[in-house]
Amino acid sequence: DTAVSQTPKYLVTQMGNDKSIKCEQNLGHDTMYWYKQDSKKFLKIMFSYNNKELIINETVPNRFSPKSPDKAHLNLHINSLELGDSAVYFCASSHGKTSAQETQYFGPGTRLLVL
Amino acid sequence: GNSVTQMEGPVTLSEEAFLTINCTYTATGYPSLFWYVQYPGEGLQLLLKATKADDKGSNKGFEATYRKETTSFHLEKGSVQVSDSAVYFCALSGRTSYDKVIFGPGTSLSVIP
Repeated sequence: DTAVSQTPKYLVTQMGNDKSIKCEQNLGHDTMYWYKQDSKKFLKIMFSYNNKELIINETVPNRFSPKSPDKAHLNLHINSLELGDSAVYFCASSHGKTSAQETQYFGPGTRLLVL
Repeated sequence: GNSVTQMEGPVTLSEEAFLTINCTYTATGYPSLFWYVQYPGEGLQLLLKATKADDKGSNKGFEATYRKETTSFHLEKGSVQVSDSAVYFCALSGRTSYDKVIFGPGTSLSVIP
């Protein structure tokens, strides 16, 4: 059984397009996250949601908009894609209301390539 | 603010060698400390964690001890295997409601037969 799943696994698109990445967790967790991992493996948090409420919103361009229809889903929509958006995007979840002290469970990643 | 520093890789070891990956942190208060591992083509998964000073986390032969006096959480394994080849991330999280997990830059480990 997949705990945290993401679709698609690979996404190749042209500059200027709009795309979405979906994430679902079946762990019953309250908090979900989006991370961006660059080509050097550096991992940076973008957003976190607790039970559909935005908790963390890092300095991410407003072309990135997360949406949480319910606490098991957190989607990421990206407008006007740029070359610099090419990266691996990871969804994660954790049990508690916040990330403090909690183990995070990661999805397999979405590899986005913008041409 | 909080931060995590790890030794730079890549690290290449022969099978059965001893592994140490250094991790030091800067944080206010008493953070929880984690090691995550990322195998090729996969997401991160928790390897071990410690939530207070002098705690030792251990899993799959890996160990790390939370040292508050040296603000360190070094990862060790006595005898590495080829299957341990991965990227290892040290991380911390604070204890307040709006703390986020801070990841180190990752250390790539290659174990050769």
